Amino acid sequence: AQSVTQLDSQVPVFEEAPVELRCNYSSSVSVYLFWYVQYPNQGLQLLLKYLSGSTLVKGINGFEAEFNKSQTSFHLRKPSVHISDTAEYFCAVSGSFEAAGNKLTFGGGTRVLVKP
Amino acid sequence: DTAVSQTPKYLVTQMGNDKSIKCEQNLGHDTMYWYKQDSKKFLKIMFSYNNKELIINETVPNRFSPKSPDKAHLNLHINSLELGDSAVYFCASSPGTYSGAFFGQGTRLTVV
Repeated sequence: AQSVTQLDSQVPVFEEAPVELRCNYSSSVSVYLFWYVQYPNQGLQLLLKYLSGSTLVKGINGFEAEFNKSQTSFHLRKPSVHISDTAEYFCAVSGSFEAAGNKLTFGGGTRVLVKP
Repeated sequence: DTAVSQTPKYLVTQMGNDKSIKCEQNLGHDTMYWYKQDSKKFLKIMFSYNNKELIINETVPNRFSPKSPDKAHLNLHINSLELGDSAVYFCASSPGTYSGAFFGQGTRLTVV
């Protein structure tokens, strides 16, 4: 079974400040980890993913995430946010097709509100 | 070109009605999904199809019936709509485990 916990439901942050969104996961099989962003009234867009290899993953729009196997975490960071980064962010885990049918299990989401 | 498209974008209907949501993907992916996002933004998988075959059915009431006429289409039919069915329904497709999923824009269903 897979599960994802996003530790913060809301993160207010000032423009040009750094932000970190926390994500912890549990899974009984090999995991593949993802971060998605959802802008208001839109679908989900993939920011980045971790499959294997380097634990620091760079994504679009200046975001990066670090995979930590011992802490079962996959935290998302951005060094300097813009107003346009205001959105809902979702961490997700996927198992293999054989184990989990490729399904994505999502965390509860973190709402980022960037203030001027 | 929209990769994953859903219609309609908004759907308002009365309790007890039957409605359908259509989804099409032009990415050539083998796997398609339906996800439900509730009012608290929580996303939960409902169904997954791989090459027109149902592979995941996550304890969804049998009033919900997916249909995949071909691997580019996955429709969702809902019978006897209830107030609790109000949500945003997302269609998604995926080429495989390593890619995550590509989502449509969502269908906001409101049952009154």
